[in-house]
Amino acid sequence: AQKITQTQPGMFVQEKEAVTLDCTYDTSDQSYGLFWYKQPSSGEMIFLIYQGSYDEQNATEGRYSLNFQKARKSANLVISASQLGDSAMYFCAMREPRGGNQFYFGTGTSLTVIP
Amino acid sequence: GAVVSQHPSRVICKSGTSVKIECRSLDFQATTMFWYRQFPKQSLMLMATSNEGSKATYEQGVEKDKFLINHASLTLSTLTVTSAHPEDSSFYICSASLGPVGNQPQHFGDGTRLSIL
Repeated sequence: AQKITQTQPGMFVQEKEAVTLDCTYDTSDQSYGLFWYKQPSSGEMIFLIYQGSYDEQNATEGRYSLNFQKARKSANLVISASQLGDSAMYFCAMREPRGGNQFYFGTGTSLTVIP
Repeated sequence: GAVVSQHPSRVICKSGTSVKIECRSLDFQATTMFWYRQFPKQSLMLMATSNEGSKATYEQGVEKDKFLINHASLTLSTLTVTSAHPEDSSFYICSASLGPVGNQPQHFGDGTRLSIL
């Protein structure tokens, strides 16, 4: 089974609007970490936000917030006030203690911000 | 600033050439580094886990003799693509964590675009 599932291959959002990128995960561990990365066309992977499985509050980092619904095993990324520079691939990832330091990545969502 | 440095950023070479890619952790020691391969418009595929002072752990289907990994120090891991062929053309990217557990993200190098003619 897929550890991380991102069901939206591509998304479009109007500039200045908010957008939600979906991510569901599969684990039997109680302790795990969830991460979002942004990959522009230049290729580098940029860490955006982290959510721990025991965190009771949703993580926020500037315009990024993570809608964490533990019972549903979802960790959706919300980008508020979209900017043209937000156009990129976005990857959801999970880290399990059993996997050592290994991260499991989803297939990614390509976000295009429309002016 | 960058915490992981990867070099070179782009390589174009003839078929049969061996290519070495370096991954350095900056200002921290990384006992474990990871090597990924990424095809266009696809996700990152973990190739191997590089362990300082010991043999790398390769994922299923990755040829050990083809992709040689050396992690000789706590700040440097190298990936050598031996006798590269056009099908080895891809984007290779390395990563390292500042710590083994919890909220430490993997920090990535900027990647290497390898093109074999």
